Formats: sequence, C-alpha cells, structure tokens
Amino acid sequence: DQQVKQNSPSLSVQEGRISILNCDYTNSMFDYFLWYKKYPAEGPTFLISISSIKDKNEDGRFTVFLNKSAKHLSLHIVPSQPGDSAVYFCAASATNFGNEKLTFGTGTRLTIIP
Amino acid sequence: EPEVTQTPSHQVTQMGQEVILRCVPISNHLYFYWYRQILGQKVEFLVSFYNNEISEKSEIFDDQFSVERPDGSNFTLKIRSTKLEDSAMYFCASSALRAGHAINQPQHFGDGTRLSIL
Repeated sequence: DQQVKQNSPSLSVQEGRISILNCDYTNSMFDYFLWYKKYPAEGPTFLISISSIKDKNEDGRFTVFLNKSAKHLSLHIVPSQPGDSAVYFCAASATNFGNEKLTFGTGTRLTIIP
Repeated sequence: EPEVTQTPSHQVTQMGQEVILRCVPISNHLYFYWYRQILGQKVEFLVSFYNNEISEKSEIFDDQFSVERPDGSNFTLKIRSTKLEDSAMYFCASSALRAGHAINQPQHFGDGTRLSIL
C-alpha cells in the first residue's frame, strides 16, 4: 500500500536555511493532509495541516503547499533550527464525517547541522 | 496543553497471552483511534471509534483485537491471544468534533506503548 510516499528517507540542512520535505499521494479521494514530527520514543506530534480547498497554509516557521494536480505536497521550514531535527511524517485522509483514518508515509529523517 | 496519555510505555508478554493497552484521550475529543508501527515500517491504521462503536477497522484488526471505552475517560485496545507478529509500537490518537468550516480536525497522538511478544 503506497498511497502516500515520502521518497527521501533523509535530509540534512544547515541551521538557518530552508528545509523542504516532500510527499506524494496517489488516492484522489484524499482531501486533508497533515505533517507530523516524531522524536525517538515519542508519538507523532501534529505540526500543520491543509485542506484540499487550499493550496497553502502557514503557521510560524512552517508552511505546507499542496499541488492537487500533481498530487504533491511539501513542508517548508524556515529558518531551520537544531530542534527541528526529527522524523517527519506526511499523512492524508478522506473526509468521512469526522472519522478520518490517516494513511502515513514512511517518513523523512531531517537533520539540522549547526 | 492537553495530551493523549498511554500506559504502559512498555509491555512484555508471552505469546498466547492477553494484553490490554490503555489510553486516556484528550478530554473534549470524540473520535478515537488506534494505530501501530512495526519496527522499520509505516504507522498503520487499526481502528476508529466514535459514539461507543467501531466506525472503521483495517484488515489487521481481526477477531483477536477489540476496543472499549469502559468509562468517560479511558479507551482500551485488547489483544486476546498475542502472536509474535503483534510486536510493535501501538499509538492511540484522538480528535475533536468538526465545527463550521474547519471540517477536519487533526488527530493528536500519545507517546505509544511498545509491545514485545516473547
């Protein structure tokens, strides 16, 4: 089941620069997309989400872009900070009256180099 | 900030034994979920629960699994007769009722229970 794909298993970025994490999906029924951050021995922490009626959502240093025609979304973190080093998961769901199971990608390990 | 709480953090159980994983969702949330992550694999959906009944379950969630909300705060996952392949991190999540134009609410996750089957 490869409905949500994160093709880069790892990414290293200099502190202060922009981090761009990418995610592709195949299921055209998905209409809500989320990014989670995960530290070892902790659960996924919600970062930011976007509905399919938008193409951009911004929250502080985090911006998510959605390109529906390409079935692609990306997470931009700027400026990157050492505390951003973690595994980032993309997830997607299809609206189902509030009961929306999430389909996750495999994750991208982001390392911020001081 | 409110959070989802899971206990225990680590459970070691003999194969064939029953195990109950416990979760306290965020207090005003109405939708509850269990996910699992086998080592090195994706986080995968197990079951969703709303209004005291299962809303959806995956093919993984067979007759050996059950969920319950025994009181107003706890949400449990029971595995009746554990198998070696049940070894995984189990995550509980909850989300709030949708309101207005915010038709989707993010799910918030606990820190998980590491289940080790011997």
